[in-house]
Amino acid sequence: DTAVSQTPKYLVTQMGNDKSIKCEQNLGHDTMYWYKQDSKKFLKIMFSYNNKELIINETVPNRFSPKSPDKAHLNLHINSLELGDSAVYFCASSLLGADSGNTIYFGEGSWLTVV
Amino acid sequence: GENVEQHPSTLSVQEGDSAVIKCTYSDSASNYFPWYKQELGKRPQLIIDIRSNVGEKKDQRIAVTLNKTAKHFSLHITETQPEDSAVYFCAASLRNTDKLIFGTGTRLQVFP
Repeated sequence: DTAVSQTPKYLVTQMGNDKSIKCEQNLGHDTMYWYKQDSKKFLKIMFSYNNKELIINETVPNRFSPKSPDKAHLNLHINSLELGDSAVYFCASSLLGADSGNTIYFGEGSWLTVV
Repeated sequence: GENVEQHPSTLSVQEGDSAVIKCTYSDSASNYFPWYKQELGKRPQLIIDIRSNVGEKKDQRIAVTLNKTAKHFSLHITETQPEDSAVYFCAASLRNTDKLIFGTGTRLQVFP
């Protein structure tokens, strides 16, 4: 009955590999996000989707490509992984956009380590 | 561009004391200000929020105040307990966007 679930929770991979993180929410929310939290704990938005449509695309390398097959899923694919990609990636969702004052619910995070 | 500054970066208090964390934002169009608590190895979770048409909001030991003129808002935790130890993030949303800008976090340690 987890509200926002993402897999895998831990991922260790070599530089240059391609990997995906999957996210699903069962809250019936229209908006989903990917946030990146680096080693200094800074939380930065990467992408936002509303009902499968890309709304926010921050200054993120083209190697990062989100895909939303339906409004309950938002996956993140990363090509040619680099050491600097090591971070915790949080999927999140909200009923409407953040400016509507709706609570953003975070998934448990995916710890990505690139070696 | 939009920016949210948060102070202090670390805060140590004795159990039972109060803790105050302050944030300032740059965009006067911001209208929603949530606070998140993140325990070690866990996800950020909303603990309280306030909208731009309200000056203060309280929930048991936690209160948030907003000064729109000065563009700053604060989190107040009274009668702190060891389980309050965590990283706290303030955030501000931008009108007509889906963007929530987070502060840099405050690591709160409550000593028994």
